[in-house]
Amino acid sequence: DQQVKQNSPSLSVQEGRISILNCDYTNSMFDYFLWYKKYPAEGPTFLISISSIKDKNEDGRFTVFLNKSAKHLSLHIVPSQPGDSAVYFCAASYFGNEKLTFGTGTRLTIIP
Amino acid sequence: DGGITQSPKYLFRKEGQNVTLSCEQNLNHDAMYWYRQDPGQGLRLIYYSQIVNDFQKGDIAEGYSVSREKKESFPLTVTSAQKNPTAFYLCASSPGVHGYEQYFGPGTRLTVT
Repeated sequence: DQQVKQNSPSLSVQEGRISILNCDYTNSMFDYFLWYKKYPAEGPTFLISISSIKDKNEDGRFTVFLNKSAKHLSLHIVPSQPGDSAVYFCAASYFGNEKLTFGTGTRLTIIP
Repeated sequence: DGGITQSPKYLFRKEGQNVTLSCEQNLNHDAMYWYRQDPGQGLRLIYYSQIVNDFQKGDIAEGYSVSREKKESFPLTVTSAQKNPTAFYLCASSPGVHGYEQYFGPGTRLTVT
């Protein structure tokens, strides 16, 4: 049962344009969401998070949007840079659940 | 430098042998986790520990064992009972168990032949 889904395995975006990565979830108990970036053969690095009391959180070029009614979150990267090429994972958890549930990831390729 | 270390980076074993993967953190984090990543899949939780001398099974604990004798260390043993042990293994830690991001180590690539 895939509770966190990233339906796009890959995405290609021109350098300087906006990258939008999407994530859907099915468990309405999730109240904390995170995005991680991962390069090959390395551990994921934390990018940005959002709690369910907010619908937007911004950190530099990265913005996460949360639509609770649609059970959907998205990560916007503006402007996209070559170093953004990586696999992006969304993850979710809820109070009383001691673990993160990860999506399957989206491979983002920034085209120079 | 604070962080999480995993050793070795690459590990090769023969089928039927147990192997232990090391994970150490100096972030003073209470919680530690082990994940497995396979090609085209997300991170799947093997075991986690919220406190010393206590740990819980994750989603795919069969064929694995862990110990948490010290706050900074959370070794994972891949036993011969694990049917498909070849994978990329990631260790993580966090200050608490909810509402905190997890910090990941660099990973260990285990190949069993």
